[in-house]
Amino acid sequence: GENVEQHPSTLSVQEGDSAVIKCTYSDSASNYFPWYKQELGKRPQLIIDIRSNVGEKKDQRIAVTLNKTAKHFSLHITETQPEDSAVYFCAASSRNQGGKLIFGQGTELSVKP
Amino acid sequence: GAVVSQHPSWVICKSGTSVKIECRSLDFQATTMFWYRQFPKQSLMLMATSNEGSKATYEQGVEKDKFLINHASLTLSTLTVTSAHPEDSSFYICSASPAGTSHNEQFFGPGTRLTVL
Repeated sequence: GENVEQHPSTLSVQEGDSAVIKCTYSDSASNYFPWYKQELGKRPQLIIDIRSNVGEKKDQRIAVTLNKTAKHFSLHITETQPEDSAVYFCAASSRNQGGKLIFGQGTELSVKP
Repeated sequence: GAVVSQHPSWVICKSGTSVKIECRSLDFQATTMFWYRQFPKQSLMLMATSNEGSKATYEQGVEKDKFLINHASLTLSTLTVTSAHPEDSSFYICSASPAGTSHNEQFFGPGTRLTVL
């Protein structure tokens, strides 16, 4: 089955700097790669997603890149703000597996003012 | 649109009792719902995939007789934790995938915090 590895587990940046979180996946049939932000005790919030027919997607300060050949995808947050502090999860999904999401281990991002 | 609710939001129960958690899609129909469990400072672990009108598909290592899943309608799935023990204490989150869509997007419920004493 699918396996998703996420790095780093913790990331601390200064306000205004960029943050990058990387994930790799194992199932070449995976075709949907969402990123979630989760605050303590809350549900995961979708912040951006990318499908396998696209290499890059951007939404204001957030961007995601996908390298299908290498089976890895990354989240880029520019001009970080203290309110970006949270745990971020990547995930991968395949229609062949009924659309179930397999999550990475999570990255705790801390943005220091 | 695409709102998913869970009830209860938190529950405390005694060891050996059963607890039922409901997951509802409020403004869309969901042929497929998913149940996840999240321990503190850990990731979401998929427990099972729930399909309307059929038996749930459980992930490896998840006891189907302990975690009973019912998906009786296109807007409701329930998870019953039977004979709960302290090690079952966790954050249980459901998600729903809209029927008739060609993509895999899931919408998450707010979660249920279960504490077993």
